[in-house]
Amino acid sequence: EAGVVQSPRYKIIEKKQPVAFWCNPISGHNTLYWYRQNLGQGPELLIRYENEEAVDDSQLPKDRFSAERLKGVDSTLKIQPAELGDSAVYLCASSLNAASAKNIQYFGAGTRLSVL
Amino acid sequence: KQEVTQIPAALSVPEGENLVLNCSFTDSAIYNLQWFRQDPGKGLTSLLLIQSSQREQTSGRLNASLDKSSGRSTLYIAASQPGDSATYLCAVGSGNTPLVFGKGTRLSVIA
Repeated sequence: EAGVVQSPRYKIIEKKQPVAFWCNPISGHNTLYWYRQNLGQGPELLIRYENEEAVDDSQLPKDRFSAERLKGVDSTLKIQPAELGDSAVYLCASSLNAASAKNIQYFGAGTRLSVL
Repeated sequence: KQEVTQIPAALSVPEGENLVLNCSFTDSAIYNLQWFRQDPGKGLTSLLLIQSSQREQTSGRLNASLDKSSGRSTLYIAASQPGDSATYLCAVGSGNTPLVFGKGTRLSVIA
């Protein structure tokens, strides 16, 4: 069974340009997460979806970041316009049931964004 | 606000050695604690999940313990191998609040 698939793996853009990341979660996983991981740091949650509903987006910089999860499956994360400080690895994860104490999150390989 | 600290930040050991990675957290009201492995340029792989009612979990050469009252967890790796070289991340879950990660311990096992 395929794991969490993300694309692209790498993206280099100039500041002020838009960029989008795509995630395909594990089949049947209702919960989808987007994290940002800066160099030398642990991942930090940007947004969490339960099916197609965003249930936690308190850490998402809404002035420039947006996300959607149409039909409760694939998701896209967009940045417009990108800033130098957005350079990081963007990780997508999925899980069966976020409310369970046994909830294991499965991560994709991530998209490494460099803003020049 | 939950804070997770991992010590040491980096560790280098010879092959075959047993080792311990440490994780501490400030708020003991947790659902679970997870240990992840991250290889360079890759995503995270879940190694062990300990529920708040449990004290330890084992998988192969890995053993993770949890002491909620003191806010500590350890990951014990027995008979280390070069293939164990990676960054190990500890993360604390508290119900519907986001997982809070430590900064990780970068492990190098030298052949």
